[in-house]
Amino acid sequence: GQNIDQPTEMTATEGAIVQINCTYQTSGFNGLFWYQQHAGEAPTFLSYNVLDGLEEKGRFSSFLSRSKGYSYLLLKELQMKDSASYLCAPRSGGSYIPTFGRGTSLIVHP
Amino acid sequence: DAMVIQNPRYQVTQFGKPVTLSCSQTLNHNVMYWYQQKSSQAPKLLFHYYDKDFNNEADTPDNFQSRRPNTSFCFLDIRSPGLGDAAMYLCATSSRGAGGYSNQPQHFGDGTRLSIL
Repeated sequence: GQNIDQPTEMTATEGAIVQINCTYQTSGFNGLFWYQQHAGEAPTFLSYNVLDGLEEKGRFSSFLSRSKGYSYLLLKELQMKDSASYLCAPRSGGSYIPTFGRGTSLIVHP
Repeated sequence: DAMVIQNPRYQVTQFGKPVTLSCSQTLNHNVMYWYQQKSSQAPKLLFHYYDKDFNNEADTPDNFQSRRPNTSFCFLDIRSPGLGDAAMYLCATSSRGAGGYSNQPQHFGDGTRLSIL
């Protein structure tokens, strides 16, 4: 099985930077995905990490430390539309299917 | 645009009355998944198809079944819905590489929100 731990909820101010942490325990490791999910909508892909380090993609970056079982999603220059749930989804070794955490609900206020 | 389409967006059924949710894809992906997601919870994998090979999760209730008649379509059948089955049902697709693994993400449909009366 897999244990995935993310904060339940975070709040931040428009224009600020926020870091959403995820710790996980998997049997082996085969990559980690981050998804964004707006209320009542489908998850959409944000980033993928399989090697240690930082992957940058515009305002969003994702970091991975495999030895620590740790990842974070960094959102810069927050906008109101970034209010959503952010799902961490690691993949066990030998599997092509990620397991989703329950997500972190981010609320961005003016 | 290539996409994953779920119909209907909202489905209401009666307690115990069979219901079928549908999913189609134009991505030509070889893997299709069905997830159940309840409010403020993680999407829970029910089953998936790798081509025609069906894979059922151990804790998926027998009440839930699936069909994949061809590459493009996949159906979720709930034989006798109970009140606890009210949820968002998400269909997703992905491409599994020759080595079995891929860095390509899953692509999700907009989901079907199922209500039970």
